[in-house]
Amino acid sequence: GNSVTQMEGPVTLSEEAFLTINCTYTATGYPSLFWYVQYPGEGLQLLLKATKADDKGSNKGFEATYRKETTSFHLEKGSVQVSDSAVYFCALSVSYNTDKLIFGTGTRLQVFP
Amino acid sequence: DVKVTQSSRYLVKRTGEKVFLECVQDMDHENMFWYRQDPGLGLRLIYFSYDVKMKEKGDIPEGYSVSREKKERFSLILESASTNQTSMYLCASSSAWTENPYGYTFGSGTRLTVV
Repeated sequence: GNSVTQMEGPVTLSEEAFLTINCTYTATGYPSLFWYVQYPGEGLQLLLKATKADDKGSNKGFEATYRKETTSFHLEKGSVQVSDSAVYFCALSVSYNTDKLIFGTGTRLQVFP
Repeated sequence: DVKVTQSSRYLVKRTGEKVFLECVQDMDHENMFWYRQDPGLGLRLIYFSYDVKMKEKGDIPEGYSVSREKKERFSLILESASTNQTSMYLCASSSAWTENPYGYTFGSGTRLTVV
């Protein structure tokens, strides 16, 4: 079946450190891949997406590249800020018109000054 | 600014009560979804709907039902609330007609406590 596996958190970093949050997936067909972010006390927001192999999604300094050969979509940022502290969810969709998303378990990021 | 609005941020209900969680979107989206979010389990899909009066079971529908009488409104119903339904409930919507999927728009969530 279709599934998403994320690294467990929390991930604890100092401000300006480099961030990687690993995400791998299992899917039939050709999924679209997403990263969502949830700030404290809020719902989820779409951070970035990629719809085909080798696509790179980017937003707010975050990037992720759709790697079909390794079935991965790792999230990276070169220099994190305290305001990036949140929970990050990797997700996939295998059917764009129904758009049913399958989420990973989430990774909490804590950034300290 | 487009929105998905959930009627309550916090709810406390007693065991056995019938509970209604309301969700309204103003984007004319066809698809609407209800998830629950629990620590260590991520988001789990309860029910979803592709159109008015249509509904499909998600991964954990037991103990829940839904209603979609109008396109903009999707209600989650806990027929007889139990303590194991204490959770954060998230509503989301999306369009069925985008050429490339842009993902969901989420509401802010309802934190339900059943005592």
